[in-house]
Amino acid sequence: AQSVTQLGSHVSVSEGALVLLRCNYSSSVPPYLFWYVQYPNQGLQLLLKYTTGATLVKGINGFEAEFKKSETSFHLTKPSAHMSDAAEYFCAVSGSFSGYSTLTFGKGTMLLVSP
Amino acid sequence: DGGITQSPKYLFRKEGQNVTLSCEQNLNHDAMYWYRQDPGQGLRLIYYSQIVNDFQKGDIAEGYSVSREKKESFPLTVTSAQKNPTAFYLCASSIAAGTYEQYFGPGTRLTVT
Repeated sequence: AQSVTQLGSHVSVSEGALVLLRCNYSSSVPPYLFWYVQYPNQGLQLLLKYTTGATLVKGINGFEAEFKKSETSFHLTKPSAHMSDAAEYFCAVSGSFSGYSTLTFGKGTMLLVSP
Repeated sequence: DGGITQSPKYLFRKEGQNVTLSCEQNLNHDAMYWYRQDPGQGLRLIYYSQIVNDFQKGDIAEGYSVSREKKESFPLTVTSAQKNPTAFYLCASSIAAGTYEQYFGPGTRLTVT
């Protein structure tokens, strides 16, 4: 079975600082990996995804993530935080459940951005 | 605009009542999903459906039921058997079975007192 661990339920940064949100996964097969963002009382929006090919993936709003197979990690980064980045971020890994394609989500990391 | 709609945004019910949450998509996606979200718990899969007239239980299906009579609709009923129904419910869809990228609706916040 697959699983996702997001280190830190809350991460605080200052505006303009580097954002680093950590995600480690477990999967018995080559994974597809996703980062989603959720603003308060809204649904999830896809930030970026890794399927195959280039291990450094660029997404929307200046975010990027690097797939590191040896470390089973898929950390999300952004060089300079903006106030509008304050939200909850979820990492997800592909898998199967009773033979059907599913995603397993981490518990989420709340990003707090201070002026 | 293509997307997923969930209604209502907020729903209040008395304990012991069944309640049905609506999920409609016009993306022509085959697969649809229901998740429950609680603070600090991430998203937990309730039910999913790969095609019309087919659905499977997820991790926490007890106390919930679904139907998939039309491709674009996947309503979720929270029954009185669900011990702790107050939560944020998210509906999602993906293009077809075997694809993993999911698109989410805006969610319904259910409060049961």
